[in-house]
Amino acid sequence: DAGVIQSPRHEVTEMGQEVTLRCKPISGHNSLFWYRQTMMRGLELLIYFNNNVPIDDSGMPEDRFSAKMPNASFSTLKIQPSEPRDSAVYFCASRTETDTQYFGPGTRLTVL
Amino acid sequence: KQEVTQIPAALSVPEGENLVLNCSFTDSAIYNLQWFRQDPGKGLTSLLLIQSSQREQTSGRLNASLDKSSGRSTLYIAASQPGDSATYLCAVRPGGSGGSNYKLTFGKGTLLTVNP
Repeated sequence: DAGVIQSPRHEVTEMGQEVTLRCKPISGHNSLFWYRQTMMRGLELLIYFNNNVPIDDSGMPEDRFSAKMPNASFSTLKIQPSEPRDSAVYFCASRTETDTQYFGPGTRLTVL
Repeated sequence: KQEVTQIPAALSVPEGENLVLNCSFTDSAIYNLQWFRQDPGKGLTSLLLIQSSQREQTSGRLNASLDKSSGRSTLYIAASQPGDSATYLCAVRPGGSGGSNYKLTFGKGTLLTVNP
């Protein structure tokens, strides 16, 4: 299996622009997580999906952030409009029945 | 609210040395604890997962222990190698059914450098 796939790997954009991050979880995993990692705050859970349904989005910082999972093999995290403080590495992870989370390589987002 | 602390934040050792990384958590009602490795610019890779009923787990040169009552876990790395250089994070999953027991709380990690 190719593991969790994320795209793009790097994104540089200007303040106010819309940003869409993409994730393909490992086939057969029914749980998907979006995280954000910064030096100051470490790893934070943004949203958790189970069987394509958002279960917990309490970590989504503001209404500017939204996430969807239209099917079991694809999820998006959208920021609109983006702000410099959104600059971070965003990770997607999916989980096995044994509860080991597999992380993607991350998307490094820079908002100028 | 669960808090996970990892001390030290950074550690530098010569190759071949045995070392211990520490993780402490404030709420002992956990379901499991997991150790991850993160290389620069990469995602997290799971190293070891210890269920709350277990005391330790081993994989190759790695041994992780769990003392739930004292809220501590250690990751022991034997005969360290330069390739072990990375950031090591621990994460705890809360116990109980329902609620937010899927949510991992991560420490900020220990940056390990093994010098040749």
